[in-house]
Amino acid sequence: GAVVSQHPSWVICKSGTSVKIECRSLDFQATTMFWYRQFPKQSLMLMATSNEGSKATYEQGVEKDKFLINHASLTLSTLTVTSAHPEDSSFYICSASGQGAANEQFFGPGTRLTVL
Amino acid sequence: GDSVTQMEGPVTLSEEAFLTINCTYTATGYPSLFWYVQYPGEGLQLLLKATKADDKGSNKGFEATYRKETTSFHLEKGSVQVSDSAVYFCALSDGIQGAQKLVFGQGTRLTINP
Repeated sequence: GAVVSQHPSWVICKSGTSVKIECRSLDFQATTMFWYRQFPKQSLMLMATSNEGSKATYEQGVEKDKFLINHASLTLSTLTVTSAHPEDSSFYICSASGQGAANEQFFGPGTRLTVL
Repeated sequence: GDSVTQMEGPVTLSEEAFLTINCTYTATGYPSLFWYVQYPGEGLQLLLKATKADDKGSNKGFEATYRKETTSFHLEKGSVQVSDSAVYFCALSDGIQGAQKLVFGQGTRLTINP
């Protein structure tokens, strides 16, 4: 199947700093990327949907100024957590779909963010 | 809004046991239903799917049937293996294509002992 990578796989940062997470589709062009957040022992919650070259569409309750999403190319989307606080600590997962991906979402392995 | 409810885990079975993981859903339209599996240290992978009532999805010995009358999509396997140990997520989307928004259940951790 198609491969999606995320970087970094884990990150620890101080409160008040910003953290950028990258999501890449390695062998297909991702016209749509999704960003999810997963709390321990809980489900994945969709944060936003991004289409290449367009502004992201955020789910209700997700602060767009705090979670900045950029999908500038067909292989890369980034999620920046601005002015991170301990409550932002979570597991962030991206998925991608598009040409060559058979209309299926392919998931990255996730990024563990810990804010001290 | 749409929602998915899975049986709570963790589930622990012996090798070659029969597996059922229950999943029920609430949706206003006619959703497509999915089971995803997450092996340790890896991303979610699509295990199987069904796009309309009475469809049966199957893969790697796992099966699930889209039951509209009971709004269910239970996952079954006749004889589990140690390699099936993973977290399983039931999900729905409001379209045929999995490239649309997915709503996930809370996940069920499955451990198979030799």
